[in-house]
Amino acid sequence: AQKITQTQPGMFVQEKEAVTLDCTYDTSDQSYGLFWYKQPSSGEMIFLIYQGSYDEQNATEGRYSLNFQKARKSANLVISASQLGDSAMYFCAMRDLNYGGSQGNLIFGKGTKLSVKP
Amino acid sequence: GAVVSQHPSRVICKSGTSVKIECRSLDFQATTMFWYRQFPKQSLMLMATSNEGSKATYEQGVEKDKFLINHASLTLSTLTVTSAHPEDSSFYICSARPLGGYTFGSGTRLTVV
Repeated sequence: AQKITQTQPGMFVQEKEAVTLDCTYDTSDQSYGLFWYKQPSSGEMIFLIYQGSYDEQNATEGRYSLNFQKARKSANLVISASQLGDSAMYFCAMRDLNYGGSQGNLIFGKGTKLSVKP
Repeated sequence: GAVVSQHPSRVICKSGTSVKIECRSLDFQATTMFWYRQFPKQSLMLMATSNEGSKATYEQGVEKDKFLINHASLTLSTLTVTSAHPEDSSFYICSARPLGGYTFGSGTRLTVV
């Protein structure tokens, strides 16, 4: 079964510094995609970045980059130049390929709560 | 971009009553809608998958008679929490897959008193 593991329940970072949020995954499929979402206290899910398993380069979106290490099955999110508004929950996710009970939904890790200190 | 509008954003209801949550795709047709539940400080867990014109698929452990899902059109999926109890208090959020990725509703925070 597919699984997403986020081992950091909470992280602190000083404003303007970079921070790495860890994510490891388990899948038997060769083709898959990994997502990162930000969830502020309001509850909305904000898409940050996507990495496809066949993408040769690490994905980048502004201050967000994904450190994709396929052999280690890790897809860590790097946020550069942290801002106070980055304080939120961050979820790593991948598409569920279990077609028995559900098709195409995302499965999520437990999340990491990031707090940016001024 | 593709938008899913979810209402209400917050609802408080009395124990034993029913609550309906709506998710509308505003600028695309959603043949499938995913419904998630999120307890405080926990992750999103898939409850069910609704498909337009057919019965929803429920995840193991989710009561079909309690969480009624209707997907009667390509732009509207609803989740009705029937005979709500305090333990149903949670954050409910829907998601669809327009071309290019996933889009989420803004979520509904349900409190049953």
